[in-house]
Amino acid sequence: EPEVTQTPSHQVTQMGQEVILRCVPISNHLYFYWYRQILGQKVEFLVSFYNNEISEKSEIFDDQFSVERPDGSNFTLKIRSTKLEDSAMYFCASSGEGLFTEAFFGQGTRLTVV
Amino acid sequence: GEDVEQSLFLSVREGDSSVINCTYTDSSSTYLYWYKQEPGAGLQLLTYIFSNMDMKQDQRLTVLLNKKDKHLSLRIADTQTGDSAIYFCAERTGIAAGNKLTFGGGTRVLVKP
Repeated sequence: EPEVTQTPSHQVTQMGQEVILRCVPISNHLYFYWYRQILGQKVEFLVSFYNNEISEKSEIFDDQFSVERPDGSNFTLKIRSTKLEDSAMYFCASSGEGLFTEAFFGQGTRLTVV
Repeated sequence: GEDVEQSLFLSVREGDSSVINCTYTDSSSTYLYWYKQEPGAGLQLLTYIFSNMDMKQDQRLTVLLNKKDKHLSLRIADTQTGDSAIYFCAERTGIAAGNKLTFGGGTRVLVKP
């Protein structure tokens, strides 16, 4: 069964450092997403990406965040200068086209900023 | 804006039925989903319902939608220990591909033998 894979599963970084979270979406999917879940809180939408550009972003997704599809298979989330409050589980998801498009989620990357 | 709320915790005995409830605020929701998250794993889609339906059954899972009250429930029949997980309700507004999901906070279900 096709799946979304994320690396690393856990990353610890120092405050102020840049991090890149990586995702390999399902190969024939066209829409890509990042969500995050701060411990004990809801899963929150960050950004969606289609046709090599951001299609929607939340107010959380400020200038510190960026997304990129550097090649035909990877989809990355970069946080330029991490803050303590960026500590969360980050989920990547992808979906295809069509009236009903199920979003498949990866297993998440736990980011800990110290 | 959209908001989705769920109760935090549910404890149930093995073999009994579980009912997880969810309320949402956006009357223009088109699809409503139930995701399951097991420890260390991602979000697995369990089932979904289109907003013009009242009920959907899928094996042990029954989804009920009361659109007037903006209330969604998931019933798991004959609950098993493997059903212990966090269950997330989510809504999607619009039918265009690529619309975001808005999640509830998740209900932790503990199945006791």
